[in-house]
Amino acid sequence: DTAVSQTPKYLVTQMGNDKSIKCEQNLGHDTMYWYKQDSKKFLKIMFSYNNKELIINETVPNRFSPKSPDKAHLNLHINSLELGDSAVYFCASSRGTTGELFFGEGSRLTVL
Amino acid sequence: GQQLNQSPQSMFIQEGEDVSMNCTSSSIFNTWLWYKQDPGEGPVLLIALYKAGELTSNGRLTAQFGITRKDSFLNISASIPSDVGIYFCAGPEGGSNYKLTFGKGTLLTVNP
Repeated sequence: DTAVSQTPKYLVTQMGNDKSIKCEQNLGHDTMYWYKQDSKKFLKIMFSYNNKELIINETVPNRFSPKSPDKAHLNLHINSLELGDSAVYFCASSRGTTGELFFGEGSRLTVL
Repeated sequence: GQQLNQSPQSMFIQEGEDVSMNCTSSSIFNTWLWYKQDPGEGPVLLIALYKAGELTSNGRLTAQFGITRKDSFLNISASIPSDVGIYFCAGPEGGSNYKLTFGKGTLLTVNP
């Protein structure tokens, strides 16, 4: 009964490939996010969605395309992967905009 | 974007000691949040502060929202080994809770 679940947890792929990460939350929240954590542990917002609508797109390259089929799901598709995309990607959700985020366990992407 | 300066970057302490870390912002925040990240996990919310001057406790943790609204601190009393992890402060960039900015984190190591 994990609150925010991401799959896969680990992803190793070659440069140029396309990959997707899925996220689901069972908390009944209406806002979902993708964050990127680099090797120095710096957490940076990528996207925010509210009720399936994109609210924040934080100057992320358009190779990254989020998709929210419903309020409980927010997936991230990445085209033409580059070495610099290697990071841990965290999905999170919140009720409204309290800032009280619930994070998933992260998906560690390694691009070779 | 807004800068959050978090210090210290890392701390190495003995079990039982008290710990203090703080965060300053280049602009006024209306919310301050403190998260903890254990290895291999996503960040977990510890304390949320919504009012200038507010002092809030959660067990051995105490956090305060600075009166200038540009700073916050987190204290941990009587540290134990499971306090090990990375502690992040966070606040809404540009006043939008859809876009939390995170500090660079304080890595806490507790020596039993």
